[in-house]
Order: sequence, then structure tokens, then C-alpha cells
Amino acid sequence: DVKVTQSSRYLVKRTGEKVFLECVQDMDHENMFWYRQDPGLGLRLIYFSYDVKMKEKGDIPEGYSVSREKKERFSLILESASTNQTSMYLCASNPMTADIEQFFGPGTRLTVL
Amino acid sequence: AQSVSQHNHHVILSEAASLELGCNYSYGGTVNLFWYVQYPGQHLQLLLKYFSGDPLVKGIKGFEAEFIKSKFSFNLRKPSVQWSDTAEYFCAVNYDDYKLSFGAGTTVTVRA
Repeated sequence: DVKVTQSSRYLVKRTGEKVFLECVQDMDHENMFWYRQDPGLGLRLIYFSYDVKMKEKGDIPEGYSVSREKKERFSLILESASTNQTSMYLCASNPMTADIEQFFGPGTRLTVL
Repeated sequence: AQSVSQHNHHVILSEAASLELGCNYSYGGTVNLFWYVQYPGQHLQLLLKYFSGDPLVKGIKGFEAEFIKSKFSFNLRKPSVQWSDTAEYFCAVNYDDYKLSFGAGTTVTVRA
């Protein structure tokens, strides 16, 4: 079974803090994704990466950055957390093949006070 | 991103009732279609997917979906729901590359 893990299930941070969310997948997938999930808005893509050190902006990249130094790990960084970044953050991965189903991690619920 | 519309925000029904959740997308080209489900406290998991071939696809737990190209729709159905089907359901569409566009989600509450 594909396993996507995220470093924390719950996180509470203060406004202005730098926040790191970590995601690790164990299936040697090329593609990795970061989404945020908000009620009534579904999942919105923040960033994705199709290779080590490669990244592309998704639909809502403002206020976020990412890092992919190793194939299995994809980090989401909030340089200066704000209250409107309070959300559920989901990481996903899939291989670079014709089967493009994405596999999701359990999510990190981030609260910014 | 291309748009994906899910018609119902919240559906409440009794056990054994039939369920149909609507999903429409805006792109006119070739698409791949998915339904994901998120049970309370659990991660998102794939319910079913359509890439090509028979437009009626069957997924896990008795769910099925029908792709109607002329209507840009991919509606999810289950003939008889159970209390354990209480969850949030997301329609997703792949337009290009490996990215997915998701609908806003439909919360389904099944009353025992």
C-alpha cells in the first residue's frame, strides 16, 4: 500500500511565525502536491513538484513556498503565518505514469492565532 | 484552474435510501474523472475513477458513477446507503499534466 505521511496531525502557531509542514511518501512517486482544504471550497492546489528541486505554483501559492530536496519528501513553508492560513493541509503523491490517481496523507490541521 | 461543480453542499438521507451526487466540469477536451471520499477523521481515499471505455464505472462499497460527455457530468450513485456512508465526497477532474481540480465537496449524512 502507498503510504503518505505528514509530520503533524494538529499544529497551533502564532501570527508571524515560520511554519514547516512535512510530507513523506514511500512509493518512489515523482509527483507530490500540497493542498489546503476549507469548508465549502474543497481542495485547492498550493504547489506541486514533479521532480527533486522542481516546483510549480498551483492555484493559491501566495504566502507559501515549498522545498523538495529528496524525492520522498516535500515540505510546505509558511514564511510568516497569518490567521487566514488556518486550514487543513493535505499532501498527496502520484507516479508519473498514465495512472494519475493521487494518494493522500492524513492531513495537518493548522491553527494560526 | 478549470471549474468543477458539485450541486449539493449537504445531503441528509435515511438508511436504505438511494443516493445521487451531481458533478459537472467545464472543460471540453479529454478528461479523467475521479470521486474521492473522506470519512470522519480519515484521509481522502479514492472511491472510483474513469479514464476511458465504459462510461459506467463501479467503485468500492457499492458506488458507481456515470460519465456523460455531452452533459460534462460524472454523477455518483449508490442504490441503498448505509450509516457508514456518512462522509464528505469530492469530485475531481484531471485536465492536463498530473494536476487535479476538485469540487467543493458534498457532505452526506445518513441517519440510522
